[in-house]
Amino acid sequence: GESVGLHLPTLSVQEGDNSIINCAYSNSASDYFIWYKQESGKGPQFIIDIRSNMDKRQGQRVTVLLNKTVKHLSLQIAATQPGDSAVYFCAENKGRGSTLGRLYFGRGTQLTVWP
Amino acid sequence: EAQVTQNPRYLITVTGKKLTVTCSQNMNHEYMSWYRQDPGLGLRQIYYSMNVEVTDKGDVPEGYKVSRKEKRNFPLILESPSPNQTSLYFCASTFLSGVPYEQYFGPGTRLTVT
Repeated sequence: GESVGLHLPTLSVQEGDNSIINCAYSNSASDYFIWYKQESGKGPQFIIDIRSNMDKRQGQRVTVLLNKTVKHLSLQIAATQPGDSAVYFCAENKGRGSTLGRLYFGRGTQLTVWP
Repeated sequence: EAQVTQNPRYLITVTGKKLTVTCSQNMNHEYMSWYRQDPGLGLRQIYYSMNVEVTDKGDVPEGYKVSRKEKRNFPLILESPSPNQTSLYFCASTFLSGVPYEQYFGPGTRLTVT
């Protein structure tokens, strides 16, 4: 079946630096993508999403970029803080029409922020 | 408080003994879903439901059953658990009225099958 993968399993950055977490997806028919953050011992938490008809979306300190040509997704975190330390997952949606349906998650990237 | 609750949070059982993990949300969400999380494999979707009486298979439905008789509840049933179903399970829910589909996750249920 299709899979959503991540290029790097771990990422260490210094506090205040920008972080970039990458994700490759395999299904060109996927229409919606989501980034989640999972802190130790907790359930995943929604960060930001992007539809396939967009190539960039910005939130508070986070930006998601979508490159459909190479089927690549990235999450950029500006001015990374210790509280950003967590595992980050991307997910792709194979929906029914334009709604949420079946979701495929990547294996995750562990982001560690050091002072 | 808006939340997704799961019970039990921890469960140790033996092979073949039927069990049910409950999931309930108080946000009137249409979409509910079950995931399992295993080290190195990330989250994998088991089943999802887009509304009452509508359920669909996810990536790894084998060995699991679900039902959606009420909008707020989405129980996960393991008719005959096996050790390979030892995992951390998450339930999640969201509205389907438009993006973002901001799934809210429960706290997780850690299941061990011996």
